Amino acid sequence: DAKTTQPPSMDCAEGRAANLPCNHSTISGNEYVYWYRQIHSQGPQYIIHGLKNNETNEMASLIITEDRKSSTLILPHATLRDTAVYYCIVRDLYNFNKFYFGSGTKLNVKP
Amino acid sequence: NAGVMQNPRHLVRRRGQEARLRCSPMKGHSHVYWYRQLPEEGLKFMVYLQKENIIDESGMPKERFSAEFPKEGPSILRIQQVVRGDSAAYFCASSPTGGNSYNEQFFGPGTRLTVL
Repeated sequence: DAKTTQPPSMDCAEGRAANLPCNHSTISGNEYVYWYRQIHSQGPQYIIHGLKNNETNEMASLIITEDRKSSTLILPHATLRDTAVYYCIVRDLYNFNKFYFGSGTKLNVKP
Repeated sequence: NAGVMQNPRHLVRRRGQEARLRCSPMKGHSHVYWYRQLPEEGLKFMVYLQKENIIDESGMPKERFSAEFPKEGPSILRIQQVVRGDSAAYFCASSPTGGNSYNEQFFGPGTRLTVL
């Protein structure tokens, strides 16, 4: 069901930027890109979403390529508390009922 | 402003018993979603409900599982005659609107069901 591809794991040094890639080569014009994270089996936490323009909020930045086939979530200054599984999700504008969660990327932030 | 509430947080049942999982959405939210997460896997959508209506149950197993969201009170996910394969974390999410909306879903802390 998942329409995205993410690396299974990544490491990042504390204080450095974490860049998490996501491939969504079959994305259609009606589909948004969402990012959630799940910290140690807690409920998923919303991070950011976008359609075609780059987006930034207090948590992260989302960079979407011009052809929209891939995107990158950027945590500008990763902390140990950012260690989590990060899920990239595409969501149909006309079928918002459910999110398809893939396997995500396990981000390990190391001191 | 309390978030999505789920109870119990942990539930242990023996095979053949019934499990009832409760979800109270965020204040002002009338749309509820249930997801199941098996160990080491991502969340899988089960069902989407509005008050007194099931909108999409395409992810629900055809037997033993049911969900409701009454006019008053929490949403209930009910699993009858549980089996060991039902052991999982069950997450509830809510949103203020559904359908054609880009509103994000807010997730609860989950209920971890263990079937002995």
